[in-house]
Amino acid sequence: AQSVTQPDIHITVSEGASLELRCNYSYGATPYLFWYVQSPGQGLQLLLKYFSGDTLVQGIKGFEAEFKRSQSSFNLRKPSVHWSDAAEYFCAVGNTNAGKSTFGDGTTLTVKP
Amino acid sequence: EAGVAQSPRYKIIEKRQSVAFWCNPISGHATLYWYQQILGQGPKLLIQFQNNGVVDDSQLPKDRFSAERLKGVDSTLKIQPAKLEDSAVYLCASSLGAPYTGELFFGEGSRLTVL
Repeated sequence: AQSVTQPDIHITVSEGASLELRCNYSYGATPYLFWYVQSPGQGLQLLLKYFSGDTLVQGIKGFEAEFKRSQSSFNLRKPSVHWSDAAEYFCAVGNTNAGKSTFGDGTTLTVKP
Repeated sequence: EAGVAQSPRYKIIEKRQSVAFWCNPISGHATLYWYQQILGQGPKLLIQFQNNGVVDDSQLPKDRFSAERLKGVDSTLKIQPAKLEDSAVYLCASSLGAPYTGELFFGEGSRLTVL
């Protein structure tokens, strides 16, 4: 069965500082991996996705993520965080056979001025 | 392009009452999902439709939850009778379907509070 672990429940960073959110997955084959962002009272929005190829993927809003098969990880990064990045971030793994995604429990990002 | 529409946005009911949520996916999206998001947790899949057929409802508590997607477009999720532990945000998402891309488009959710 596929699963996702996001080890950090809550992270606080200062505005302008760099950010890394961790994600570990469990999946039997080559995974489809995703990061979504959820602002308060909103639905989830896709930030970026990895299917195959280059292990460093670029997304919207200046985010990037790196797929490391050896570590079963797909960490999200941003060089300089803006106050508007404060939100909850979810990592997800996709089951290509079943056509469905499994989500982690999320990491809440707080940005200090 | 219109996004995924959900209603109502908020609902407060007493336990043992019933409630229904409605979702209209993005036009042309064959696959529709209902997720339950309990506070502090990630979305958990309740049911997945492909057009008007059920693909996966293994996690749907069928003694109290039901869902339908007549005509393969909009969908309704019903809870009857509601329990306290059903308090959550119910998210509807849609995707093109085939070929599978895994990219889901979410509505803003329906927040249910059961008292």
